[in-house]
Amino acid sequence: DGGITQSPKYLFRKEGQNVTLSCEQNLNHDAMYWYRQDPGQGLRLIYYSQIVNDFQKGDIAEGYSVSREKKESFPLTVTSAQKNPTAFYLCASSMYGDSRGYTFGSGTRLTVV
Amino acid sequence: SQKIEQNSEALNIQEGKTATLTCNYTNYSPAYLQWYRQDPGRGPVFLLLIRENEKEKRKERLKVTFDTTLKQSLFHITASQPADSATYLCALQGGGNKLTFGTGTQLKVEL
Repeated sequence: DGGITQSPKYLFRKEGQNVTLSCEQNLNHDAMYWYRQDPGQGLRLIYYSQIVNDFQKGDIAEGYSVSREKKESFPLTVTSAQKNPTAFYLCASSMYGDSRGYTFGSGTRLTVV
Repeated sequence: SQKIEQNSEALNIQEGKTATLTCNYTNYSPAYLQWYRQDPGRGPVFLLLIRENEKEKRKERLKVTFDTTLKQSLFHITASQPADSATYLCALQGGGNKLTFGTGTQLKVEL
C-alpha cells in the first residue's frame, strides 16, 4: 500500500540537542511538507519542497533545517536554536496540481526534557 | 494579514442530524479550499476539495459550499454518526501548492 511514514512516533530530546525526524513516502508525490501543530493552534508550515534538491521556508522555519536528496524522503532536523520545540510534527506529500489533497503521515510527538 | 477562522467551540449534535461547520477567511484569495478530518494523535485525512469557481461539492454524506464573495465555506455532514466525531480542519490553497490551515472545529455526535 502506498503511504507516508513518519518515525519515530515519540521522541524525547534534551535541551541543546539536535534531533532529526524522518519522513518517507512511496506515493511518487513531487511535493513534501513539514507542519507543526500545537494545542489550540492550526497546523503551521515549517518547510516545503516541490522538487528534489530544492526547498523553501514556510512561516516558522527558524530553528529548523531540511534536505531533499531523494524524491521519497524529506527529513526535518530540529536544532538547538529552536526555542520551543515541544510539539506534534506532521509530514505531508502531494502531487502538484492534484485535486486529491495532501496525504499526511501519522506524526511525531517531540518532547524536550 | 491572512486569517482563517473556524469556530473554536466544540459542536455537539445528536446522531442523525446534520452537522454544519463554518470556515471564514480574510485577506486571502484562495484558488482552492480543502477540508480535512483529524482524529486525536493522528495526521489529518483529506476529505474534499472545492475550487474558487465551484459553488458546491458533494461526496456521499458530505457537502461543501464555497462563497468567495462572503469569504466563507460551509461543511455539512448529513445523517451524522458517532463515528463522525473528530476535529475538522479547513485549509486554503493560494498560489503554488501550499496549504494554510485553520485551527479546526471539534465535532461530537451523541447517541
